[in-house]
Amino acid sequence: EDQVTQSPEALRLQEGESSSLNCSYTVSGLRGLFWYRQDPGKGPEFLFTLYSAGEEKEKERLKATLTKKESFLHITAPKPEDSATYLCAVQAVNDMRFGAGTRLTVKP
Amino acid sequence: GAGVSQSPSNKVTEKGKDVELRCDPISGHTALYWYRQSLGQGLEFLIYFQGNSAPDKSGLPSDRFSAERTGGSVSTLTIQRTQQEDSAVYLCASSRDTRRITGELFFGEGSRLTVL
Repeated sequence: EDQVTQSPEALRLQEGESSSLNCSYTVSGLRGLFWYRQDPGKGPEFLFTLYSAGEEKEKERLKATLTKKESFLHITAPKPEDSATYLCAVQAVNDMRFGAGTRLTVKP
Repeated sequence: GAGVSQSPSNKVTEKGKDVELRCDPISGHTALYWYRQSLGQGLEFLIYFQGNSAPDKSGLPSDRFSAERTGGSVSTLTIQRTQQEDSAVYLCASSRDTRRITGELFFGEGSRLTVL
């Protein structure tokens, strides 16, 4: 069965304290892995798509990487406005499945 | 419109009542998705439309749930005889993909359903 597991469930950082979020997956026929950001009371907002192992994407303080079994979302020198829930999703042949997310809080 | 629009934003109903949730996707987007998000949970896939047809209804949790899409645009998710476990945020997303492949989904802000 296709599965997506994100860790940690919650992460609290001080402003400027870099860290990484993990998304591990088991899926047959991976067609892509997505990262989304979700603010409270809002729908998820697309960040990145990764298609193959070794691929990396960057946007401001965020960098997403992909291996054959997991993806990392690296946050460099985060700011309070980076506080949100970050969702990982995988697209298999017949399904697009989301993880439960990592709730990130960045304290000033 | 500029984004995906969902209504109502909040709905409180009594157990056993029927509810309809509406989604107006971005103009020109052929693919439309419904997801359900319970507190602290990930997004649970419900149904996917390509145009007006729904090739994948596997995620609908029971026969009390149904969805339709008309004119390749607006979609309605109907829940009959609501139960307390139906309480959740129902999210709609659209995509310009013409096939069900990887691509960016644009989400609405969701309809929060509370069943008393």
